[in-house]
Amino acid sequence: SAVISQKPSRDICQRGTSLTIQCQVDSQVTMMFWYRQQPGQSLTLIATANQGSEATYESGFVIDKFPISRPNLTFSTLTVSNMSPEDSSIYLCSVVGLAGHTYEQYFGPGTRLTVT
Amino acid sequence: AQSVTQLGSHVSVSEGALVLLRCNYSSSVPPYLFWYVQYPNQGLQLLLKYTSAATLVKGINGFEAEFKKSETSFHLTKPSAHMRDAAEYFCAVSVNTGTASKLTFGTGTRLQVTL
Repeated sequence: SAVISQKPSRDICQRGTSLTIQCQVDSQVTMMFWYRQQPGQSLTLIATANQGSEATYESGFVIDKFPISRPNLTFSTLTVSNMSPEDSSIYLCSVVGLAGHTYEQYFGPGTRLTVT
Repeated sequence: AQSVTQLGSHVSVSEGALVLLRCNYSSSVPPYLFWYVQYPNQGLQLLLKYTSAATLVKGINGFEAEFKKSETSFHLTKPSAHMRDAAEYFCAVSVNTGTASKLTFGTGTRLQVTL
């Protein structure tokens, strides 16, 4: 299994500012993902964080708005840039780890962001 | 492209009653299906998964789900609800190998358990 921590757990930010969210895993993992969970909605994949190369973004998400870093196999950051109230969401980090003989996706506790 | 539909954003059951949370999927290829649970202020935890083996899948905390291809369904059940089962439940689909790939989530169902 993999234990994931995220910082900060929550924040309230003013529009136009940026926030960087950190994701730390207790073991080396190959695949890391960033998801967004808007109020009352489902989880939506933002991007796959690739170690040593640029992240792979899903449709509707761009690097200028959500820059991602992945300097090693246990750590990643997601920045929410030039924030607006529409960015108020829970942002979750996810990793793929080995569970017995199969792989499972593990999720961090999330970062609850409120933009005023 | 694949998608998941969860019928009922809120479900309320009495303690000891049957829990039934509905999930229907759409996929052009054989899917892998998952149920996750999210307790308040916590991350998602995997309850169970279907990866083309047995169609009846047993998970943690007494939950199980049955894959029915003819109905494109993967409903989650538990014979007897406990207060601690109150949480948000998400159905998810993937079309790649197991969970080592991107997941598409349903909108979630909030389960309330009453005395």
